[in-house]
Amino acid sequence: EAQVTQNPRYLITVTGKKLTVTCSQNMNHEYMSWYRQDPGLGLRQIYYSMNVEVTDKGDVPEGYKVSRKEKRNFPLILESPSPNQTSLYFCASSPTARTDTQYFGPGTRLTVL
Amino acid sequence: SQKIEQNSEALNIQEGKTATLTCNYTNYSPAYLQWYRQDPGRGPVFLLLIRENEKEKRKERLKVTFDTTLKQSLFHITASQPADSATYLCALLTGGGNKLTFGTGTQLKVEL
Repeated sequence: EAQVTQNPRYLITVTGKKLTVTCSQNMNHEYMSWYRQDPGLGLRQIYYSMNVEVTDKGDVPEGYKVSRKEKRNFPLILESPSPNQTSLYFCASSPTARTDTQYFGPGTRLTVL
Repeated sequence: SQKIEQNSEALNIQEGKTATLTCNYTNYSPAYLQWYRQDPGRGPVFLLLIRENEKEKRKERLKVTFDTTLKQSLFHITASQPADSATYLCALLTGGGNKLTFGTGTQLKVEL
């Protein structure tokens, strides 16, 4: 089944404790992206990647890192999480950025205490 | 500044009626515009894409219009059903063609 998977789905952590949210797609898509969704602010893009080893900042990249060493994986790294990073995070992929469809993962709900 | 505006108030309509949702944008020149559906706690699901040189696109009970002069897209669901209740997001291709920027969404409730 074609899908985007994220892990973990739920995470509660404390300020400053490094964490990684994994994202994987099995559709051989070139483009992958991370979003965060907050009430009243909608979906905002954190980082995106046009292909392996090619990443760029989205609208809200501060406090986050990403890497794209393999086509299928695009992990999101929070080196020193803070409470303002409490949010619902979505990973998405598409064949290219100009394609018809972005496929979204199921989301990761992160709480930073 | 750049803005994408969707009606933040929920839209309540009766089953069988046509729902019309609006997406307005300023200071963008998007190559295309997409509409997504999002159910609570789940990721958005792609519905329709319309390009800048297209006026209208249809898919089953869905219709999207795109007016680049008015900087507005309308999203219509005809013969609406309770199962259509969800939040609907519009998104523009921006950033030189590399990014999708989303509106905040409009919640639709279809009542029996």
